[in-house]
Amino acid sequence: GAVVSQHPSRVICKSGTSVKIECRSLDFQATTMFWYRQFPKQSLMLMATSNEGSKATYEQGVEKDKFLINHASLTLSTLTVTSAHPEDSSFYICSALPYRVNNEKLFFGSGTQLSVL
Amino acid sequence: AQKITQTQPGMFVQEKEAVTLDCTYDTSDPSYGLFWYKQPSSGEMIFLIYQGSYDQQNATEGRYSLNFQKARKSANLVISASQLGDSAMYFCAMREDNTGGFKTIFGAGTRLFVKA
Repeated sequence: GAVVSQHPSRVICKSGTSVKIECRSLDFQATTMFWYRQFPKQSLMLMATSNEGSKATYEQGVEKDKFLINHASLTLSTLTVTSAHPEDSSFYICSALPYRVNNEKLFFGSGTQLSVL
Repeated sequence: AQKITQTQPGMFVQEKEAVTLDCTYDTSDPSYGLFWYKQPSSGEMIFLIYQGSYDQQNATEGRYSLNFQKARKSANLVISASQLGDSAMYFCAMREDNTGGFKTIFGAGTRLFVKA
């Protein structure tokens, strides 16, 4: 089946630094990728929709200058948490919607646990 | 308003028995998809089953079946012959094809505990 690779799986950083998370579709092209955030014991909250070659669409309440999303190719989307603060600590998970092939379900990365000290 | 509602924060089931996890949804889009995902403690999201709004028959995937009642807007997941490895969080999700831009939104989840 389709594979989505997400790196890093875990990152610890100091407050004020920026962290980049990569999401790659390994064996399919994804014109659309989605970024979710999940707090402990809670559901996945959609942050933004990333479309290849265009600006990301952010959900209400998500700061686009804080969470920079770049979807430079059909297989790669990145999320950069800029000037991270402890309240940004969370589990971030990406997902990809295959182009033309079985677009019924999302394929998820394995997630990134971000801890900001 | 909640688009996906899972009213059971936690459920217990005896090993080898069946369990039903509830999910109701709200949409005015005639074209939509309903999904169930499993999330073990490792955090990965594992796709279980899909039901399209125009599908006439209930979806089945091995031990998983989806009880789709369109008029009631419910999409309950039935797990038959529960196994210890089924203990995890289960999320119901919906994608609205026309109004939602193919975004998939998730319910609050149900934590399933399978007892030996």
